Amino acid sequence: NAGVTQTPKFQVLKTGQSMTLQCAQDMNHEYMSWYRQDPGMGLRLIHYSVGAGITDQGEVPNGYNVSRSTTEDFPLRLLSAAPSQTSVYFCASRPSTSGGTDTQYFGPGTRLTVL
Amino acid sequence: AQSVTQPDIHITVSEGASLELRCNYSYGATPYLFWYVQSPGQGLQLLLKYFSGDTLVQGIKGFEAEFKRSQSSFNLRKPSVHWSDAAEYFCAVGDTGGFKTIFGAGTRLFVKA
Repeated sequence: NAGVTQTPKFQVLKTGQSMTLQCAQDMNHEYMSWYRQDPGMGLRLIHYSVGAGITDQGEVPNGYNVSRSTTEDFPLRLLSAAPSQTSVYFCASRPSTSGGTDTQYFGPGTRLTVL
Repeated sequence: AQSVTQPDIHITVSEGASLELRCNYSYGATPYLFWYVQSPGQGLQLLLKYFSGDTLVQGIKGFEAEFKRSQSSFNLRKPSVHWSDAAEYFCAVGDTGGFKTIFGAGTRLFVKA
């Protein structure tokens, strides 16, 4: 198993540009989520999904869109990038939607800089 | 609302010395508690978790943590630190609904020879 994969590893955008961060998992996990990591703030939940076609907002959803058309993929879209979105983004998955005790598996991250 | 506090931004420990990283949480019910480790440039890896039962939990890489309800704490310990333990450590609390995990700001561990 490749686990959780993310592309790209690094990205530089100009203010106002759009892009999609890709996330895929091959473990048939129901639950997937996106976090952003900023210095001194830990990880903050952006959006999460409990299955194909079902998504919901986390702590910091503004400026981001998600969709879940398949179990495997959970892309994160920035429609109009802003410098405040400069961050490291992590995708994670875990086996079940009701298993709060399940282990989350994290991808390697995408480092995004918005100029 | 749930919250997690890690009071120490960074800690420096000599190799072979013991380690304790502090974590305090705020949650109304019995929490699900986690410790993750992040090596430089990597994603997060679960060290251990607590959700019920014995309040002293063992994890990977020789780590353990103790849940103390009266102090709302879940401190991480290791009896003898190795240079490879240098990393950032995150405490997290999950709601019993299972949908959201709240992370602390992290503690960066430096290990000196």
